[in-house]
Amino acid sequence: EDQVTQSPEALRLQEGESSSLNCSYTVSGLRGLFWYRQDPGKGPEFLFTLYSAGEEKEKERLKATLTKKESFLHITAPKPEDSATYLCAVYNTDKLIFGTGTRLQVFP
Amino acid sequence: ETGVTQTPRHLVMGMTNKKSLKCEQHLGHNAMYWYKQSAKKPLELMFVYSLEERVENNSVPSRFSPECPNSSHLFLHLHTLQPEDSALYLCASSQEPGSYTPQHFGDGTRLSIL
Repeated sequence: EDQVTQSPEALRLQEGESSSLNCSYTVSGLRGLFWYRQDPGKGPEFLFTLYSAGEEKEKERLKATLTKKESFLHITAPKPEDSATYLCAVYNTDKLIFGTGTRLQVFP
Repeated sequence: ETGVTQTPRHLVMGMTNKKSLKCEQHLGHNAMYWYKQSAKKPLELMFVYSLEERVENNSVPSRFSPECPNSSHLFLHLHTLQPEDSALYLCASSQEPGSYTPQHFGDGTRLSIL
């Protein structure tokens, strides 16, 4: 069965304390992996698309990487405004399958 | 306006009411989607439309009835809902279903069933 698992479920960081979020997946045919950020009371906001193992994308303090089994979202020197829930999703043949997300809190 | 807009943002209704959720996309996309988001659960795909034709119905109860009059507008008609239908309903759009391009989301309608 196609599945996306995100860990940890919640993460508390001090401002400036770098860390990584994990997204592991099992799909019959990966057609793309997506990272989204979701703030409370808002819809998911698109961050990155990764299509093949070895690919990396960066945006400000965020860097996403992809292997054949998992993706990492690395957060370097986070700030309080990076606090949000981060969602990972993968396309199998025709559907976008989401994980349950990692809730990140960054404290000053 | 840009992106995907949803109205209303909040809706409280009784189990016997009839209401509709509205979604409009300004991205020139051809595919539109309805998702349900409940606490601690992954987003659940409900319906997919491509160029106003429904291409996916994910075993959704008939008390949810979608309508897509054109490629920019999507509605979700609600009637005789149950308390377990309380959730955040998200609309999204993308270039084409199956094009493996990102889906862009609105901010959702928070639905509460009394």
